[in-house]
Amino acid sequence: DTAVSQTPKYLVTQMGNDKSIKCEQNLGHDTMYWYKQDSKKFLKIMFSYNNKELIINETVPNRFSPKSPDKAHLNLHINSLELGDSAVYFCASTNRGGGDEQFFGPGTRLTVL
Amino acid sequence: AQTVTQSQPEMSVQEAETVTLSCTYDTSESDYYLFWYKQPPSRQMILVIRQEAYKQQNATENRFSVNFQKAAKSFSLKISDSQLGDAAMYFCAYSTNAGKSTFGDGTTLTVKP
Repeated sequence: DTAVSQTPKYLVTQMGNDKSIKCEQNLGHDTMYWYKQDSKKFLKIMFSYNNKELIINETVPNRFSPKSPDKAHLNLHINSLELGDSAVYFCASTNRGGGDEQFFGPGTRLTVL
Repeated sequence: AQTVTQSQPEMSVQEAETVTLSCTYDTSESDYYLFWYKQPPSRQMILVIRQEAYKQQNATENRFSVNFQKAAKSFSLKISDSQLGDAAMYFCAYSTNAGKSTFGDGTTLTVKP
């Protein structure tokens, strides 16, 4: 039983397109995150939601819009994709805000051509 | 803003030997959490060990232990009896109580048979 799942695992698309990545966790956690891991493997937090409410929004272009329909789901929609958006995007969840382990999804490798 | 520095981009260790990965961080807060995560080639992020800043005792998980020096803002990871399966990228991470996480740039560990 997958704890944190993401779809799709791979996404190849053209510049200018709009795409979405879905994330679901079945752990009953309250807090979910999106991270971006670039080609150098640097991992940066993008957003955090707690019980469907946005609590962290780092300096991310507004082409990126997270949506949390319920506390088990946190989707990431990206408009007008650019070459620089190519990366691996990880979803994660945790039970409490800061102190608990984050459980990561398998990642979505996005390639923008 | 918090920063996390991993000064060793790459490390190597002989199988069965011990290796220490360095991590320093900068924060003005007194209560926070520190983590080491492992990312093998499968790219799945896995928690290795966790430390609460208010605890003086160093965390230990089997062959993994940390040397937490709060005053020096240092949080190194020691891997004893290294195994081939330990080969991975290791990330040091800092988290506030509110759940904002900052990751270091990672250290790639190679284990030589």
